[in-house]
Amino acid sequence: AQKVTQAQTEISVVEKEDVTLDCVYETRDTTYYLFWYKQPPSGELVFLIRRNSFDEQNEISGRYSWNFQKSTSSFNFTITASQVVDSAVYFCALSEAHNQGGKLIFGQGTELSVKP
Amino acid sequence: DTGVSQDPRHKITKRGQNVTFRCDPISEHNRLYWYRQTLGQGPEFLTYFQNEAQLEKSRLLSDRFSAERPKGSFSTLEIQRTEQGDSAMYLCASIASGNTIYFGEGSWLTVV
Repeated sequence: AQKVTQAQTEISVVEKEDVTLDCVYETRDTTYYLFWYKQPPSGELVFLIRRNSFDEQNEISGRYSWNFQKSTSSFNFTITASQVVDSAVYFCALSEAHNQGGKLIFGQGTELSVKP
Repeated sequence: DTGVSQDPRHKITKRGQNVTFRCDPISEHNRLYWYRQTLGQGPEFLTYFQNEAQLEKSRLLSDRFSAERPKGSFSTLEIQRTEQGDSAMYLCASIASGNTIYFGEGSWLTVV
């Protein structure tokens, strides 16, 4: 069975602090995709990253970085020098390859609050 | 704006009434998905279409729910005899094979 666990329900930081959002997943497939989405109060899910299970290279995009460790089934997300605009709910998600990236299993989300 | 549009954005209905949501996917995307998200939870898969064919339905989709995608373009999700437990946000998403899935802004349903 597939499962995504985001153990941190809420995180509160002060602006300019670094923050890491944890994600642990379970799957029996050897080929799968991992995602991070941001959901601001408006409700829209904003795509941040998709990672293929064969690509364990860490990725950095501006203030965002992702650490994929297959050995621990984790795909953690770090925001460097957080800003108030980063306040949102962040979801980690998993899709097995046979679903071709469409049927996602989401974690429960982590609500990030960045205070000025 | 991802290009996936949903209508209406908000709907308040009385228990027992029927409601219908519409989703217009990105035009070249052949697959369309419906998800449901309740407060404090992540979205959960309901069903998906490849062109006009409905290929998979979740156990969450009771017989009061029906989804269609005539002609493989827009899709509708109808809930009959709404119950308070149906209160949620209904998200539509579309994808072209092998690419990234994009979500609409969602349709919020409140059943009173």
